Amino acid sequence: GQNIDQPTEMTATEGAIVQINCTYQTSGFNGLFWYQQHAGEAPTFLSYNVLDGLEEKGRFSSFLSRSKGYSYLLLKELQMKDSASYLCAVMDSNYQLIWGAGTKLIIKP
Amino acid sequence: GAVVSQHPSWVICKSGTSVKIECRSLDFQATTMFWYRQFPKQSLMLMATSNEGSKATYEQGVEKDKFLINHASLTLSTLTVTSAHPEDSSFYICSARGTGDTGELFFGEGSRLTVL
Repeated sequence: GQNIDQPTEMTATEGAIVQINCTYQTSGFNGLFWYQQHAGEAPTFLSYNVLDGLEEKGRFSSFLSRSKGYSYLLLKELQMKDSASYLCAVMDSNYQLIWGAGTKLIIKP
Repeated sequence: GAVVSQHPSWVICKSGTSVKIECRSLDFQATTMFWYRQFPKQSLMLMATSNEGSKATYEQGVEKDKFLINHASLTLSTLTVTSAHPEDSSFYICSARGTGDTGELFFGEGSRLTVL
């Protein structure tokens, strides 16, 4: 079966760095997405990786290793507004998105 | 980026009534839209894939006669929850795939349905 694993919850301190991991097992691979979702709101796009390596976009970076079925989202200089759930999703061979359960990130002052 | 608008944002209805939720792509044409349901503290669950001009494709376990999907045009898909019951109370979100190469999904604002 298809499976996306990510931690349920993480806590970090304002101004620090946090890494949210995601491992996946899917039937085929056409890219991995990270979305941010604040409580009660729809997800918003953060990043897309289809090739191995690190993609940097401001305070957020996303890494992919296809051979390991692994990705992480790195958030730097954490701000209180970064408190949200972070969803990892993989597009399989049928171009369907398989969603992880999300990681709730709690930022403390 | 592309904009997807969803309406209404909040709806409260009595048990047994039907509720329609609209999803519109405002600045691009979307031949395919997706409908998700999300219960509190859980991830998105794909309900169905809506295809313009043809029948929707429902995920296993989703009742197609209860959740009616109509993709009437390239910019509008509707989800109708028929004979709603309290267990249908949830956050319903639509999305559409953009026209870029990444296949990025653009989400509507979501509709929170409460059935009394």
